[in-house]
Amino acid sequence: GAGVSQTPSNKVTEKGKYVELRCDPISGHTALYWYRQSLGQGPEFLIYFQGTGAADDSGLPNDRFFAVRPEGSVSTLKIQRTERGDSAVYLCASSLTVAVQETQYFGPGTRLLVL
Amino acid sequence: AQKITQTQPGMFVQEKEAVTLDCTYDTSDQSYGLFWYKQPSSGEMIFLIYQGSYDEQNATEGRYSLNFQKARKSANLVISASQLGDSAMYFCAMREGHIAGGTSYGKLTFGQGTILTVHP
Repeated sequence: GAGVSQTPSNKVTEKGKYVELRCDPISGHTALYWYRQSLGQGPEFLIYFQGTGAADDSGLPNDRFFAVRPEGSVSTLKIQRTERGDSAVYLCASSLTVAVQETQYFGPGTRLLVL
Repeated sequence: AQKITQTQPGMFVQEKEAVTLDCTYDTSDQSYGLFWYKQPSSGEMIFLIYQGSYDEQNATEGRYSLNFQKARKSANLVISASQLGDSAMYFCAMREGHIAGGTSYGKLTFGQGTILTVHP
């Protein structure tokens, strides 16, 4: 079956602009996660959804970052007033449930470059 | 404090040899899961193997096995019979299962990764 998909694969924007990153999880997966990966680092957690609600948004760095999952499937990560420090690969993952043993399957990521 | 520590920034191994990638973790939870992912240069994160804190046996998946030492809080990945295609970044990650207010923690916490290079 289809894996996690993310669009766009690459996004170049100017400082101060608004961007939206989209994630389409594996069909039937109730949990969806966003991570950010800087060059040479491990992914860092941003937010996760269980169904439509954000169950944990403790990783969002500030109020410029916001994410939604209105119908419990596709999610959009929104970044306002982008800064150069926001440049990173944004990874989305999904899992069937949030049980400890459930594997999170990752999408290919969106590479964001803020000039 | 670091929850996941991978002390080897880079490792080299000869093709067909075995290699061990180290991972130590820190948690006060009794229920947790440990995962290893592979990230080739193309960037996708590929799940390799899972070990639960209550699992009594070490996990194995094909050429991958996990050397789980709970008392030492270590979960080292062993790759047997290395292949050139194993060259990649490898991440250890932990998911804590603490129940707080009826909600499980869902996030993975990753280590810094180890770059593995397999020589012919």
